[in-house]
Amino acid sequence: DQQVKQNSPSLSVQEGRISILNCDYTNSMFDYFLWYKKYPAEGPTFLISISSIKDKNEDGRFTVFLNKSAKHLSLHIVPSQPGDSAVYFCAASGSNYQLIWGAGTKLIIKP
Amino acid sequence: EADIYQTPRYLVIGTGKKITLECSQTMGHDKMYWYQQDPGMELHLIHYSYGVNSTEKGDLSSESTVSRIRTEHFPLTLESARPSHTSQYLCASSEGWGAQYFGPGTRLTVT
Repeated sequence: DQQVKQNSPSLSVQEGRISILNCDYTNSMFDYFLWYKKYPAEGPTFLISISSIKDKNEDGRFTVFLNKSAKHLSLHIVPSQPGDSAVYFCAASGSNYQLIWGAGTKLIIKP
Repeated sequence: EADIYQTPRYLVIGTGKKITLECSQTMGHDKMYWYQQDPGMELHLIHYSYGVNSTEKGDLSSESTVSRIRTEHFPLTLESARPSHTSQYLCASSEGWGAQYFGPGTRLTVT
């Protein structure tokens, strides 16, 4: 049973607009969440993380929001740029510190 | 930015061959990981190490083995490759329990 779910396999967004990627989790013991970006034939690149004691973390164009009651997190990218086209993975960890991953969402930025 | 290297980047081999996938990091990270990932799927942890002479199996059953004789080096070996081993193999490292940093991956095809 998948503990971390990214229900949208793909998302298409116009350049300059906001991209919102979503992630749901089932394990209430998760306390640390991360977003990674992956280009084809490359390893994932760490983007941003958030601890369960916060509900928002911002780094430049990237903001992650955490809603613990809904067990939901989202990644906002503003403004979206062509180089943002990639697969985005969310991951979560709990007491054993191992990362549990979602299946990824492919983001396509249209010019 | 973490420096973590994997070789080879691509490998096509025949069934029954023994192979070793190399992974090295220059950051002095104590923790290292091997993941397996297929297109459109989540990353699955197959092995991890918390330090020299420490190795553990991950959640995904794997017929591979690993060793950690030096902090910087974490090779993965398949004694007898099979077509079911065809996948992308990703190596990562982390300092403590924070974000994991990934190498470029090895795309393995077993014919």
